[in-house]
Amino acid sequence: EAGVTQSPTHLIKTRGQQATLRCSPISGHTSVYWYQQALGLGLQFLLWYDEGEERNRGNFPPRFSGRQFPNYSSELNVNALELEDSALYLCASSFQGADYGYTFGSGTRLTVV
Amino acid sequence: GQQVMQIPQYQHVQEGEDFTTYCNSSTTLSNIQWYKQRPGGHPVFLIQLVKSGEVKKQKRLTFQFGEAKKNSSLHITATQTTDVGTYFCAARRFSGGYNKLIFGAGTRLAVHP
Repeated sequence: EAGVTQSPTHLIKTRGQQATLRCSPISGHTSVYWYQQALGLGLQFLLWYDEGEERNRGNFPPRFSGRQFPNYSSELNVNALELEDSALYLCASSFQGADYGYTFGSGTRLTVV
Repeated sequence: GQQVMQIPQYQHVQEGEDFTTYCNSSTTLSNIQWYKQRPGGHPVFLIQLVKSGEVKKQKRLTFQFGEAKKNSSLHITATQTTDVGTYFCAARRFSGGYNKLIFGAGTRLAVHP
């Protein structure tokens, strides 16, 4: 069974540009979560999608947005990139419900120059 | 909002020594999960604790959930170099609605041979 896959692995963008990150959850998982992990720091919750809808978002500006497609894959968009957006962006998926652990992808390393 | 405090931030041990990381919350938790992130890797789900006072073991790892369900600990007996990484606790809100995990800042474990 394939795990959570994220693409691209690495992404280099210039300040002010837009970045699009993609995530495919484990088959059968309907919930997708996005986290930001700045270098050497913890995981900051960005967004949660389930059944195609945004269920919750963390304390990030509106230029961080995303969507979930009918096949449950998801996309994270970051507009007007700033230098401090440089981080590892992790996607995780799970079954919907409070009793399941998250399976994380390997992440997309975004570097803004 | 709910915060999960994790201590220590960093622990440096000699191989064979024991290691413990603690997770504390000001509010009652419905459950708590533990994850391990190897250097350069992504978080991997280790275990979930649900019941008050619950203790679970995985080989040299012992996980505890406090009686009041406000704190948890992970203890590693006789550390090995393979234990190196950052250990995160993660908790959900006690009352329903959310399905996002709030991660602690993590404890980075360094093991010297």
